[in-house]
Amino acid sequence: GENVEQHPSTLSVQEGDSAVIKCTYSDSASNYFPWYKQELGKRPQLIIDIRSNVGEKKDQRIAVTLNKTAKHFSLHITETQPEDSAVYFCAASRGSGGYQKVTFGIGTKLQVIP
Amino acid sequence: SAVISQKPSRDICQRGTSLTIQCQVDSQVTMMFWYRQQPGQSLTLIATANQGSEATYESGFVIDKFPISRPNLTFSTLTVSNMSPEDSSIYLCSVVQPGYYGYTFGSGTRLTVV
Repeated sequence: GENVEQHPSTLSVQEGDSAVIKCTYSDSASNYFPWYKQELGKRPQLIIDIRSNVGEKKDQRIAVTLNKTAKHFSLHITETQPEDSAVYFCAASRGSGGYQKVTFGIGTKLQVIP
Repeated sequence: SAVISQKPSRDICQRGTSLTIQCQVDSQVTMMFWYRQQPGQSLTLIATANQGSEATYESGFVIDKFPISRPNLTFSTLTVSNMSPEDSSIYLCSVVQPGYYGYTFGSGTRLTVV
């Protein structure tokens, strides 16, 4: 089955700096790579995703890159703010539409220091 | 995205008892997924629930321990049976809507077994 590795497990940055979280996956058939943000005591929420036919996607201060050849993808957060502090999970899946088994990474606890 | 109502939000249960967790979705979805998130850990898929058929369980999870019902396209329950302290965890339901790839999660049930 799919295996997703994520690092670092914890990350502290100063407010305004950039944060990068990296993930690798094992199943070359995986074609969808979402990122979830989970604030303390809350549910995970999708913040950005990328499909295998795209190399990069950006949404305001967050961006995701995908290297299919190397089977790794990364989350980039620029101009970090204290409200970015949370646990971030990368994930990988294959399939389309209604059914997809999603495998999550272990999570990265991001702390943004004011 | 879909709105999911999950209840109870938390419970403290005696070992050996059972707890049923309910998830109600505001729209029809083909599949619902049940996840477990142990403290400080990632999300682990327990099973996938289809309406009108038996749930599909992941390795390490069995129907006798985690029976699931899916009576219609908007509702599902997960029962945690014969509980032990090791079952203390957060349980989350999630759905993928047609034409949309990302998961939407319920608010979670924080279970403590004493």
